[in-house]
Amino acid sequence: DTGVSQDPRHKITKRGQNVTFRCDPISEHNRLYWYRQTLGQGPEFLTYFQNEAQLEKSRLLSDRFSAERPKGSFSTLEIQRTEQGDSAMYLCASSLGPGASTEQYFGPGTRLTVT
Amino acid sequence: SQQGEEDPQALSIQEGENATMNCSYKTSINNLQWYRQNSGRGLVHLILIRSNEREKHSGRLRVTLDTSKKSSSLLITASRAADTASYFCATEEYGNKLVFGAGTILRVKS
Repeated sequence: DTGVSQDPRHKITKRGQNVTFRCDPISEHNRLYWYRQTLGQGPEFLTYFQNEAQLEKSRLLSDRFSAERPKGSFSTLEIQRTEQGDSAMYLCASSLGPGASTEQYFGPGTRLTVT
Repeated sequence: SQQGEEDPQALSIQEGENATMNCSYKTSINNLQWYRQNSGRGLVHLILIRSNEREKHSGRLRVTLDTSKKSSSLLITASRAADTASYFCATEEYGNKLVFGAGTILRVKS
């Protein structure tokens, strides 16, 4: 058990609907990351937070995607007007930081299926 | 886009044999990490090797790093059925974000 939790574990939605995922990192970790993983591929970076500040967003993160970490603890990732291409596993990770390179602890992921 | 490329894409061995996976990357790195992912589950960190290190061991795992060739290898010795999983290398870039390869699927037959 890595200590990072994600909710829900599975989400099936119809195209055009909005969805929101939640991630609870390890409590003492101030860095939080979102990745997306499609079948047969490695995870791809989406965005990351240092406490409540969103410091970087990937080009993969279109304007339909928004992420927040309002109090520097849990984070939410919202996808508006979902498309079938959004179907993927959404992974959250946390780590200590900044400064020294450290391992990231991943949650179990939220599997999104857009029908 | 993905930075690393793992080789082979898939590997099938008998229990007790050694498994070697290779990873190549494109840009300068702070460190390189290896992760394991069991079917349908999240990733688990295995080992981290810094850019100024050449070899590192952890239990049955041995990782090498050649920054001149921009490549790394992961050796799992005396494999077990429980080692069956996908293995990913990931290079750490600014902000500690990880850039993953496509992974190697390892199957250990008992």
